[in-house]
Amino acid sequence: QKEVEQDPGPLSVPEGAIVSLNCTYSNSAFQYFMWYRQYSRKGPELLMYTYSSGNKEDGRFTAQVDKSSKYISLFIRDSQPSDSATYLCAMSRGYGQNFVFGPGTRLSVLP
Amino acid sequence: EAQVTQNPRYLITVTGKKLTVTCSQNMNHEYMSWYRQDPGLGLRQIYYSMNVEVTDKGDVPEGYKVSRKEKRNFPLILESPSPNQTSLYFCASRARVSGSGYNEQFFGPGTRLTVL
Repeated sequence: QKEVEQDPGPLSVPEGAIVSLNCTYSNSAFQYFMWYRQYSRKGPELLMYTYSSGNKEDGRFTAQVDKSSKYISLFIRDSQPSDSATYLCAMSRGYGQNFVFGPGTRLSVLP
Repeated sequence: EAQVTQNPRYLITVTGKKLTVTCSQNMNHEYMSWYRQDPGLGLRQIYYSMNVEVTDKGDVPEGYKVSRKEKRNFPLILESPSPNQTSLYFCASRARVSGSGYNEQFFGPGTRLTVL
């Protein structure tokens, strides 16, 4: 079993839809949870991060962490064609600890 | 502009021909690392460095070498490349983690390597 699992997609949605992206993980020691966005032919860029369980909102993006279920989510409201990218979840056990990445979900938002 | 640069961006080579991929950051970051990205496997860490002259293996170090002689540079060396090292490579850097915050990791634009 991989340490971090993520549906690779591709996921296609119409513009304006609410998008839900998810990751599951097996290591209960993970405490820091990140979402990265990667456009084609670019390096990943940090979108959001959360520490431990709970929700975090930033504009149209909301990150949720449920440590009891070992499940994290990223919600995108009012999705735009510019949101079309691959979304990677990542997590780490603590400060200075290395990141473990999910394989990424490719999202296409159709105008 | 704060950035991580990698060179070359694209490289096609043959089995056994030594190559180096350079990585440089201008943010005075202590921590640098190399990842490879393969379909279905995501980003996997090859090597990382906590500071000058301090390097350590990541999850997939076999067939790779690194050095950290200067803070800004972290080259990735493939002494004898093989076809299974065909991949997309990313260099990344971040400041040393301290206090109760989280320091963002910045990625370079990637190097697509093909080994024939």
